[in-house]
Amino acid sequence: DAKTTQPTSMDCAEGRAANLPCNHSTISGNEYVYWYRQIHSQGPQYIIHGLKNNETNEMASLIITEDRKSSTLILPHATLRDTAVYYCIVRVEDFGNEKLTFGTGTRLTIIP
Amino acid sequence: DTAVSQTPKYLVTQMGNDKSIKCEQNLGHDTMYWYKQDSKKFLKIMFSYNNKELIINETVPNRFSPKSPDKAHLNLHINSLELGDSAVYFCASRRESGELFFGEGSRLTVL
Repeated sequence: DAKTTQPTSMDCAEGRAANLPCNHSTISGNEYVYWYRQIHSQGPQYIIHGLKNNETNEMASLIITEDRKSSTLILPHATLRDTAVYYCIVRVEDFGNEKLTFGTGTRLTIIP
Repeated sequence: DTAVSQTPKYLVTQMGNDKSIKCEQNLGHDTMYWYKQDSKKFLKIMFSYNNKELIINETVPNRFSPKSPDKAHLNLHINSLELGDSAVYFCASRRESGELFFGEGSRLTVL
């Protein structure tokens, strides 16, 4: 799976949009971009994923650049409960023989 | 109902003991995983099972033996516990579209 690079930490004011960048310059054509987060002491939580097109769901939006070498996760109106470590992962769909490899992620702190 | 549930949530035991952690998912998924998160917070995959069959074994010591009695359950048995086994162990199951659903974790402390 392609390696990802994320900033170690970020702050965002409550109520503002949180934009979390991820570089995946060695991504290949069949690799998806996944985002998960881990709130302190809890299990990781799936947020969103995409291949080429931008995606939006009830939690967030995912913007993938045209060359697919980077992406941005957007939390449109951050709340204190969004404070967590956010992981950007790229992986191939290989049913039955795949593994999600977590990096160090970005520690996002929402400031009141 | 909790989608992926693990028991126990906390486990404190002595070196050399044998212990088990149980995991159950009620999502109807075919694939389940065990991940280990150490004190530095790195999440590493240990095993995956697809419909009771072992798919991935990430060079985990053979003191760790996963068992899947049916596709809704994936248990982790650890023999001869060592200090370095202290960690939080997460079970997960995989939806067909690729998303993983994690349990709340089982914190193992070996004294």
